[in-house]
Amino acid sequence: GENVEQHPSTLSVQEGDSAVIKCTYSDSASNYFPWYKQELGKRPQLIIDIRSNVGEKKDQRIAVTLNKTAKHFSLHITETQPEDSAVYFCAANLYGGSQGNLIFGKGTKLSVKP
Amino acid sequence: DTEVTQTPKHLVMGMTNKKSLKCEQHMGHRAMYWYKQKAKKPPELMFVYSYEKLSINESVPSRFSPECPNSSLLNLHLHALQPEDSALYLCASSLEPGEDTQYFGPGTRLTVL
Repeated sequence: GENVEQHPSTLSVQEGDSAVIKCTYSDSASNYFPWYKQELGKRPQLIIDIRSNVGEKKDQRIAVTLNKTAKHFSLHITETQPEDSAVYFCAANLYGGSQGNLIFGKGTKLSVKP
Repeated sequence: DTEVTQTPKHLVMGMTNKKSLKCEQHMGHRAMYWYKQKAKKPPELMFVYSYEKLSINESVPSRFSPECPNSSLLNLHLHALQPEDSALYLCASSLEPGEDTQYFGPGTRLTVL
């Protein structure tokens, strides 16, 4: 079936370093790719998203890149801070969104060491 | 109001109980979702309501029964649950189904004894 693969499953970086999380998707009709941050015991919160008509989007220290041909997209966090520590999920909409499904990757636990 | 709210925050129930989870949004969103999230796992889609009609049921057991009384409210009725149903139940909404940002509620932490 359709799925989203996410790597790595855990990532540990020093404060101030950059972190990169990568996802691949299988449904060529997918056209919306959000990233969510989930802190322990909290709800998933959208941090950035990208649509298939652009290749890159940036919001302060966070950027997302999309390669439609290769069907992969990545999250880049620069100048990491301890408060960036959380689980990050990528997602893709199934069937180009015609049915409303989001398929999530398995998550990346990011630890930023002070 | 830019929030999705859920009640209760925590729920403990026995396998013979009947209970309901409630979700509310006042953002004028036309799509609402129920997800189940087990520890250290991603959210798993259970149901999608689009314009108050059930559009997706991801083969969820009948002991989970969704209801959408109006465009702002979404309920999940629970009956005869099993201990393996213990999880965080998340509600989400989006302006339209499929291509729009989904905003999540805080979730209900459910424990089935």
